[in-house]
Amino acid sequence: QQPVQSPQAVILREGEDAVINCSSSKALYSVHWYRQKHGEAPVFLMILLKGGEQKGHDKISASFNEKKQQSSLYLTASQLSYSGTYFCGTSASGGGADGLTFGKGTHLIIQP
Amino acid sequence: GAGVSQSPSNKVTEKGKDVELRCDPISGHTALYWYRQSLGQGLEFLIYFQGNSAPDKSGLPSDRFSAERTGGSVSTLTIQRTQQEDSAVYLCASSRGRQQYFGPGTRLTVL
Repeated sequence: QQPVQSPQAVILREGEDAVINCSSSKALYSVHWYRQKHGEAPVFLMILLKGGEQKGHDKISASFNEKKQQSSLYLTASQLSYSGTYFCGTSASGGGADGLTFGKGTHLIIQP
Repeated sequence: GAGVSQSPSNKVTEKGKDVELRCDPISGHTALYWYRQSLGQGLEFLIYFQGNSAPDKSGLPSDRFSAERTGGSVSTLTIQRTQQEDSAVYLCASSRGRQQYFGPGTRLTVL
């Protein structure tokens, strides 16, 4: 089943923080986060694996709660370049390469 | 190095015609994926190749859709007798592990 993302959309001022959530009704092995700008290909942000730690680079980090089958993406001190649509993709397979099931996306708009 | 490439970038066709979409993965990537993105929607998984074989065809919407991959490299997604609901952006991705790298997509419009 398709994971549920929340919120559907968020508008922030530059420098504010945002949290995007991804929730699944089935047991997950991995959660993948991507950002897509209009008319462009999705760009990989990070993967979280079952049993793994919270990940992050620069001002973007993410967590994975295996018990709740939820992942959250944290954007701190947002920059104009963070604008776009964020998708979580999930996999129940621990076997490695696998087709992902994506949520409908969260639209993030950063205003100056 | 070069990323995933797809051709054509745009395709306009008439209802009932067949179309072929091509994906050229990153060199050395053994896994290749096809996804579909309809306007304002998330990505819908279609099919996945490991080498030349497709262990998971579960996402193909109907028997009008087929895909093949030859030589462990280039893949072709074929849609026969296109319908208006097939209009979407078709995205290809490749990977050597779990991280998938996406191409720019082919925008298909069925009139």
